[in-house]
Amino acid sequence: GAVVSQHPSWVICKSGTSVKIECRSLDFQATTMFWYRQFPKQSLMLMATSNEGSKATYEQGVEKDKFLINHASLTLSTLTVTSAHPEDSSFYICSARETIRDTQYFGPGTRLTVL
Amino acid sequence: GENVEQHPSTLSVQEGDSAVIKCTYSDSASNYFPWYKQELGKRPQLIIDIRSNVGEKKDQRIAVTLNKTAKHFSLHITETQPEDSAVYFCAASNTGNQFYFGTGTSLTVIP
Repeated sequence: GAVVSQHPSWVICKSGTSVKIECRSLDFQATTMFWYRQFPKQSLMLMATSNEGSKATYEQGVEKDKFLINHASLTLSTLTVTSAHPEDSSFYICSARETIRDTQYFGPGTRLTVL
Repeated sequence: GENVEQHPSTLSVQEGDSAVIKCTYSDSASNYFPWYKQELGKRPQLIIDIRSNVGEKKDQRIAVTLNKTAKHFSLHITETQPEDSAVYFCAASNTGNQFYFGTGTSLTVIP
């Protein structure tokens, strides 16, 4: 149980385009999902907390207009990187809070490469 | 807010030896401490966790200890194997909603 999927696993796009990443909890409902960014050999940097049916809470320094988050259902949150630039290239990982064990389970991550 | 520090950043051990990774936290309200293992290019996987009402938890070759007074917790891996090689992250949470992660420890088990 407690499986989180993420799609796509790898995306390459041109500078200026927008990219949508999906995060799904497959076998449990998640009222709260999280979006992280991870640079090579570094820790997980929390970008925002996504709450079902309400606006996301962004961490300091994260542009909410650039990283659009939508948590429209209890099993799906999306992150849209708008007008992507090469500096947005990174590994984006979502996680979902599973309330029985009260812990987070991570998706497999999405590698974004912006040319 | 919470500040989690993790040491060492890199650790190499011979196969069969034990490995210990230590984390400290600053917020005394933190009450949940999970450990994640992340292999290269893969997702972090929860390997063990401990809550503040216990001092130690063990699962086969992995154990975690918690010292609430000193605000530190440790991951112990015994009889290490090459497949234990990965990056390990500790985290602290007081609500279950927000986790504060350590900076990670890259463990290499030398055959």
